Amino acid sequence: DAGITQSPRHKVTETGTPVTLRCHQTENHRYMYWYRQDPGHGLRLIHYSYGVKDTDKGEVSDGYSVSRSKTEDFLLTLESATSSQTSVYFCAISESKAEWNTEAFFGQGTRLTVV
Amino acid sequence: GQNIDQPTEMTATEGAIVQINCTYQTSGFNGLFWYQQHAGEAPTFLSYNVLDGLEEKGRFSSFLSRSKGYSYLLLKELQMKDSASYLCAVRSSGGSYIPTFGRGTSLIVHP
Repeated sequence: DAGITQSPRHKVTETGTPVTLRCHQTENHRYMYWYRQDPGHGLRLIHYSYGVKDTDKGEVSDGYSVSRSKTEDFLLTLESATSSQTSVYFCAISESKAEWNTEAFFGQGTRLTVV
Repeated sequence: GQNIDQPTEMTATEGAIVQINCTYQTSGFNGLFWYQQHAGEAPTFLSYNVLDGLEEKGRFSSFLSRSKGYSYLLLKELQMKDSASYLCAVRSSGGSYIPTFGRGTSLIVHP
């Protein structure tokens, strides 16, 4: 199994509070991604990183920020959580964007509930 | 942008064959992926097609027709453990070059 760990695995938080999710990899892959998965919407890209301190927005980036200060860690922050951000969040890693078919791996997911 | 369509849910019987379709609209097509995702787990890679035709891998096969914007995943000799969601994802050469996922098809296999 690819070395990718998400923490926490489950979290319940209150509306308006800040929340940070962590993705940690031991594969030394260059690219890291954050997705959210909701019924009826599938997996949607929030942000991705292509190197330390290099990040870009995805399809649904509003309300989220990310940081990558080390190759192995990619943090997703909800500055002020809303109920619409209740979702399952998946981190993924790949060495390159071209080789997704052989090198992309997903973490086990974080179930976030905003009440 | 990309538009990816697949059925929401399908049911099949153990031992049978099932075909899960995926249609897409995109400019600069550059590959189609199929992932399997069991409930509460991470998606795992099944297949990748970039040229027209059939790719076979054990009990699973994936077909692509670029001119029709169409793919299917064929599962043979269904087993109960094949009950899962199957995600179709399409990559285009423009933009971020990161695959965009469809909404997934939930497959339920009955004894």
